[in-house]
Amino acid sequence: QVQLQESGPGLVKPSQTLSLTCTVSGGSVSSDTYYWSWIRQPAGKGLEWIGRIYASGSTHYNPSLKSRVTISADTSKNQISLKLSAVTAADTAVYYCARVGYCTGSGCHKEFAYWGQGTLVTVSS
Amino acid sequence: DIQMTQSPSSLSASVGDRVTLTCRASQTISSSLNWFQQKPGKAPKLLIYVASTLESGVPSRFSGSGSGTDFTLTISSLQPEDFATYYCQQSHSLPLTFGGGSKVEIK
Repeated sequence: QVQLQESGPGLVKPSQTLSLTCTVSGGSVSSDTYYWSWIRQPAGKGLEWIGRIYASGSTHYNPSLKSRVTISADTSKNQISLKLSAVTAADTAVYYCARVGYCTGSGCHKEFAYWGQGTLVTVSS
Repeated sequence: DIQMTQSPSSLSASVGDRVTLTCRASQTISSSLNWFQQKPGKAPKLLIYVASTLESGVPSRFSGSGSGTDFTLTISSLQPEDFATYYCQQSHSLPLTFGGGSKVEIK
């Protein structure tokens, strides 16, 4: 069974770069059967998709964050990473990594079928 | 971006009630609609995908319907463990977007 675990600093200063890691077990980040996403949720608010990465390294980002976001994969550690630059208090949120159910030649299915437990990042001086 | 609008934003219901939640897309998304359940302090959980397919392990009291722009999630007989916030999400086009959520509370 696939498991995802987010980790990283819980406190980041304004204007700095937020860096998080999602460690995957029970599945390979280099498999072209899946892609991996980051999603965030401010306290008491809804969900916002940040972006995703495929095994090929191809990425898609939310245009609202695109200029500040980088998602990458470390296949040797089986990890997905998120970097968000120039953070402000508005970036304070629980950050989740998630995986699509599966992909076949006909497309990908079951968006966000698997989630990590989330990690709270607070932006404050 | 495709805007997803959920209604109601909250409702109070009793155990055993039939509950229907609505999600409307700002443009047609075919059947590319997923429903998630989220309990406090937990990650969302996929309930239904492609509008009406029940995820494995999800109780059959949950059902989804709709296509195009209008979708519904129905809980046929509300159980104590169903009190949560429900989100719809479209997978039709990027950026992927979620509705604002419908919170189901105990009456």
